[in-house]
Amino acid sequence: EPEVTQTPSHQVTQMGQEVILRCVPISNHLYFYWYRQILGQKVEFLVSFYNNEISEKSEIFDDQFSVERPDGSNFTLKIRSTKLEDSAMYFCASRAGAPTGELFFGEGSRLTVL
Amino acid sequence: GENVEQHPSTLSVQEGDSAVIKCTYSDSASNYFPWYKQELGKRPQLIIDIRSNVGEKKDQRIAVTLNKTAKHFSLHITETQPEDSAVYFCAAFLNTDKLIFGTGTRLQVFP
Repeated sequence: EPEVTQTPSHQVTQMGQEVILRCVPISNHLYFYWYRQILGQKVEFLVSFYNNEISEKSEIFDDQFSVERPDGSNFTLKIRSTKLEDSAMYFCASRAGAPTGELFFGEGSRLTVL
Repeated sequence: GENVEQHPSTLSVQEGDSAVIKCTYSDSASNYFPWYKQELGKRPQLIIDIRSNVGEKKDQRIAVTLNKTAKHFSLHITETQPEDSAVYFCAAFLNTDKLIFGTGTRLQVFP
């Protein structure tokens, strides 16, 4: 069964450093998402991406965050200058082209900012 | 506004009993309502979903009901088992390509 894959599974970084989290969505999916989950809290929407541009973004997704689909398979989330409060699990998700439909989540990338 | 409220935050039941989790949403344009189960350290896993043109959907021990007028939807788990223990999240898909999650319910099923 096709899956959304994410790398790295865990990254530890120093405050102020740049981080890139990588995702490979399911190959025929058209809509891509990043979510984050601080330990013990709810899953928070960050950004949605379709047709090579951002469709929606939340208040969390400020100028420190960016997304890119550099080739036909990868979807990346970049945090320019990490803060302690960026420590969380980041989930990538994708869905096919139906107007609404199931989001398929990756296993997540745990980011720890020291 | 875009908000999904979920209750209760924790729920403890005896094995074999039923569990009910309730959610309300604020955006009347929402048209898709999935429920996710999340085990510790794992990704959210879809367990059931319902679209706005349907009032109820059932899959074995799990059912979801939707009241569009009241903007309520609920998850019902019957004959609970210890392996049902997890955090459950409701979610509402907004017209603007955004899936918003509720605050989660930690369900514990005691043998």
